[in-house]
Amino acid sequence: EAGVAQSPRYKIIEKRQSVAFWCNPISGHATLYWYQQILGQGPKLLIQFQNNGVVDDSQLPKDRFSAERLKGVDSTLKIQPAKLEDSAVYLCASSSPQGAGNTIYFGEGSWLTVV
Amino acid sequence: EDKVVQSPLSLVVHEGDTVTLNCSYEVTNFRSLLWYKQEKKAPTFLFMLTSSGIEKKSGRLSSILDKKELFSILNITATQTGDSAVYLCAVGTNAGKSTFGDGTTLTVKP
Repeated sequence: EAGVAQSPRYKIIEKRQSVAFWCNPISGHATLYWYQQILGQGPKLLIQFQNNGVVDDSQLPKDRFSAERLKGVDSTLKIQPAKLEDSAVYLCASSSPQGAGNTIYFGEGSWLTVV
Repeated sequence: EDKVVQSPLSLVVHEGDTVTLNCSYEVTNFRSLLWYKQEKKAPTFLFMLTSSGIEKKSGRLSSILDKKELFSILNITATQTGDSAVYLCAVGTNAGKSTFGDGTTLTVKP
């Protein structure tokens, strides 16, 4: 079974530039998550999709971050304009429907450095 | 607000030692508690616990949940250098939300 795919793996941009990350979840997984993980901290949920609907985006800085999952499969996360404090790993994850108990499978992450 | 606290923040041991990692939580509508191991890339799933008092075991790793006292422990016996990693605890709710702790960084020295 293919895992969660993310790209790009690494990105370095200057502050005030924009960046976009792409994620393709495990086939059949209806729930897709974007997490931000800053060095030394646990993953922080940015946004959770159930199919193509948003379940939770309470911690998404909406003035600069946006995410979409138009067809209920793959998703993009955009940051515009980037700030220095956005330097982090952006982890995409997916899980199967509720009955599976919240086991989340992660992609390898997109490492962002803002300089 | 849902909260997950892990302790200790970091731990240094020698090969062969046994370690115990702690995770306490306060969440609304608890569903499950999960342990992940994170090396230099994405977290990989270790255990999912939903019932109190039932130990989950995989090789040298084991974990147990106490839903009355709201905590879980992860034990690693006969540690090896390959066990060096960040161990993350996450708690899932019936609403499908998962909250992560900040992790325990384990370093196993030869």
